[in-house]
Amino acid sequence: QSALTQPRSVSGSPGQSVTISCTGTSSDVGLYDYVSWYQRRPGKAPKLIIYGVTKRPSGVPDRFSGSKSGNTASLIISGLLGEDEGDYFCSSFAGRYTLILGGGTKLTVL
Amino acid sequence: QVQLQESGPGLLQPSQTLSLTCTISGDSIDYPNSYWNWIRQSPGRGLEWIGCFHYTGSTYPNPSLKSRISMSVDTSKNQFSLKLISVTAADTAEYFCSRGPTVVTPGDLWGRGTLVTVSS
Repeated sequence: QSALTQPRSVSGSPGQSVTISCTGTSSDVGLYDYVSWYQRRPGKAPKLIIYGVTKRPSGVPDRFSGSKSGNTASLIISGLLGEDEGDYFCSSFAGRYTLILGGGTKLTVL
Repeated sequence: QVQLQESGPGLLQPSQTLSLTCTISGDSIDYPNSYWNWIRQSPGRGLEWIGCFHYTGSTYPNPSLKSRISMSVDTSKNQFSLKLISVTAADTAEYFCSRGPTVVTPGDLWGRGTLVTVSS
């Protein structure tokens, strides 16, 4: 069971949009609509920003959105702000009561 | 406000047993819709889900770690614990606990993590 594949890093300027991909297989991302996205800033606990592929928890700005196509899920951050800088990682249910996570992506706001 | 706090030894030697505890404040560990996870992040291996535990005793371990881990709960202290036997340098990582509503997600609440280094 390999980790979900994410780009190591992405970057964008304030106001721009960035997309972070999370690629799995037909046994996890492609099969279940249980993809979550988390943001982690240094020294802080990971924060849930997307669950169920597209749903946003209360309090998460609508600049954050999620989607899925085939075996790849995506996190889209529009209208980049400096405070969005940090690490982002995805998770997916993989069946048989197991979870699989991504390697993480470092977002830099230029 | 619900908070999770991991605690552990910090440093241990190869072949020893790692014992970690997650203390929950502001919530009850025996809430039926709460599933408690252990997750770790290491520089070389990224993020890895270790396993999930429900207060009823149901456990859902990562198959790759199943033979080395055990999970338990102490409802009187509102804590759940992880034991990982026969550690090696590959177990060096930051360890997190989290709370999820079901077994299909790590959930909405995480601790800040505790760093564990395995070194002789």
